[in-house]
Amino acid sequence: NAGVTQTPKFRILKIGQSMTLQCTQDMNHNYMYWYRQDPGMGLKLIYYSVGAGITDKGEVPNGYNVSRSTTEDFPLRLELAAPSQTSVYFCASSYSSGPSGNTIYFGEGSWLTVV
Amino acid sequence: DQQVKQNSPSLSVQEGRISILNCDYTNSMFDYFLWYKKYPAEGPTFLISISSIKDKNEDGRFTVFLNKSAKHLSLHIVPSQPGDSAVYFCAATEMEYGNKLVFGAGTILRVKS
Repeated sequence: NAGVTQTPKFRILKIGQSMTLQCTQDMNHNYMYWYRQDPGMGLKLIYYSVGAGITDKGEVPNGYNVSRSTTEDFPLRLELAAPSQTSVYFCASSYSSGPSGNTIYFGEGSWLTVV
Repeated sequence: DQQVKQNSPSLSVQEGRISILNCDYTNSMFDYFLWYKKYPAEGPTFLISISSIKDKNEDGRFTVFLNKSAKHLSLHIVPSQPGDSAVYFCAATEMEYGNKLVFGAGTILRVKS
């Protein structure tokens, strides 16, 4: 019963490096999201997708890119990593666009440190 | 500019007593509110929600109250149990925008046995 799977769980990047956070869901959900959580702050939406081939910016998209070539996968790419991108990243998915909260499933998080 | 605020970073409660977690919002367009619970090293999990057409919603030990005029909601947990110790996030959205949630900073609840 995998649900939403994120990899890697932990990563240390040097300033200027690039990397991709992987997210896969096995629930055939159309909607997928990337959030980041900074210390002492709530989760902020980076990007979201309403289906394969369709993505849109959230509240804090700068420095990130996404793609959605399949229903299952929604990778988040960091280009030219900066210390401000040190955060915990959560991928989530839902089968509807309605706000019924129990349809949103979160992954366990990816801890990223940029030094 | 925080649209959803949880002004208490932490709360400590004795087992069996009531826990009350508070949340304020500034955006009057928000019409759906949710509470999420998060354990360390895990993703948030949905707890309970409420639509702006209601002022109360109950689910077992958990009750959410909404005061639209004050732009305030609260989560009551009765009775509190040690397993309830976690971070609780308040979130809000406009129904039109579906699951694009705006989260508060969270409140750490510690239930002492």
